[in-house]
Amino acid sequence: SAVISQKPSRDICQRGTSLTIQCQVDSQVTMMFWYRQQPGQSLTLIATANQGSEATYESGFVIDKFPISRPNLTFSTLTVSNMSPEDSSIYLCSVGETGSGEAFFGQGTRLTVV
Amino acid sequence: LAKTTQPISMDSYEGQEVNITCSHNNIATNDYITWYQQFPSQGPRFIIQGYKTKVTNEVASLFIPADRKSSTLSLPRVSLSDTAVYYCLVGDGGWGGYNKLIFGAGTRLAVHP
Repeated sequence: SAVISQKPSRDICQRGTSLTIQCQVDSQVTMMFWYRQQPGQSLTLIATANQGSEATYESGFVIDKFPISRPNLTFSTLTVSNMSPEDSSIYLCSVGETGSGEAFFGQGTRLTVV
Repeated sequence: LAKTTQPISMDSYEGQEVNITCSHNNIATNDYITWYQQFPSQGPRFIIQGYKTKVTNEVASLFIPADRKSSTLSLPRVSLSDTAVYYCLVGDGGWGGYNKLIFGAGTRLAVHP
């Protein structure tokens, strides 16, 4: 299994600013994933963070708005840039375990933009 | 990735068995069926995964018919703490490796006293 720590757990930010969310895993993983979950909704995949290469973004998400870093096999960051109230959401980091098909999720970062 | 369809919500009472069915008509040969549970303010948690027939663990059972176009998650004797959202996912995330998970709407289960 994998234990994931996300920081911060929550934040209230002013519109127009940026927030960087950190995701730390207790083991080396090949792929890390970033999701967004708006209130009362399901999870939406933002991007796949690959170590040593640029992240792969899903339709509707762009690098300028959600830049991602993946400096090593245990760590990734997601930045929410130039925030607006519509970015208020929970952002979750996830990793997969090759061989079991089981995914593990962080507790999430609850972001409120005012 | 195969699309899944499951009921938006279900209600049950403590001690009852709950069966949540998921349709995945376009499931591919390499696809596995995986169920996740999500409590409020937490990330999803893996419950069970299967490819065909029946899989059982300490939490739930997963029934998959021969055509694999649907699956049923069975929760025995639910308690109030089983109130959560349950997601059915289909994809090539089984023993051959791990790929991204695409979540559908999920089923919101409410267990009543």
